[in-house]
Amino acid sequence: GAGVSQTPSNKVTEKGKYVELRCDPISGHTALYWYRQSLGQGPEFLIYFQGTGAADDSGLPNDRFFAVRPEGSVSTLKIQRTERGDSAVYLCASSREYSGANVLTFGAGSRLTVL
Amino acid sequence: AQKVTQAQTEISVVEKEDVTLDCVYETRDTTYYLFWYKQPPSGELVFLIRRNSFDEQNEISGRYSWNFQKSTSSFNFTITASQVVDSAVYFCAFRGGYSSASKIIFGSGTRLSIRP
Repeated sequence: GAGVSQTPSNKVTEKGKYVELRCDPISGHTALYWYRQSLGQGPEFLIYFQGTGAADDSGLPNDRFFAVRPEGSVSTLKIQRTERGDSAVYLCASSREYSGANVLTFGAGSRLTVL
Repeated sequence: AQKVTQAQTEISVVEKEDVTLDCVYETRDTTYYLFWYKQPPSGELVFLIRRNSFDEQNEISGRYSWNFQKSTSSFNFTITASQVVDSAVYFCAFRGGYSSASKIIFGSGTRLSIRP
C-alpha cells in the first residue's frame, strides 16, 4: 500500500482480555517495527522484524506481549491478560531494509484503552 | 547506553518568531544517525530530516534548519518565521550504526505551540 496501515484505530477492552493489533507495512519494506507511545511521552521501542524473524524484541515489557510476522509482510502484536497500564497508542513503522540510514515510515497508530 | 534528551517540554511563541528546539544525545558509537520527526495533532509521526555522524554540515530546508555539533553532542532544530501550522510535538531520535542495536531511540518530545 501507499502507507503503513494499522487496525483497529481504536480499541477499548476490559482488563484481563486478549487483544490483537494489526500492521500492514508499505509494500516491499522488509523491516517492521512496533513502538508504544504513552500520553506525553516519546515512542518507546518494542520489537523489530527483519523479514519474518524478530531481530530485536528487547523492548517487549513482559511475556504478555508477543508479535508475529509469519509471511514477512503483515504483523500482529498480541497482548494477553491486558492491564490498565497497557493503555497507550501502539505505533507500527516500516522501512525498506534494515540499515542504520533508513528512515522509518509510521502508521497512524492503534489507540488501546484498557478499562 | 544510548540516550536522547529534549530538555524543553513545551515552548510557546507568537507567530513569525524564530524558535529553536534542543536535542542532546549520548552514545559511544562512532557511526550513528540522528533524526527529527514531527507529530501534528492528527497523531501520525512525520519524518523531517536524517543526519549521519560523519556529516556535520548544517542543513536548511525552507524555514527549517538543523545544527549538528558532535563536540557538544547536539542536534538542534530551528524554525524561522514560525507559523501556526508548525504547532506540533517534535521528536529528536537516535540510531546506532550497523554494529549496534537497530532500534531508533526517541526523546520525550517538545510540544511547540505557535500563537497567532
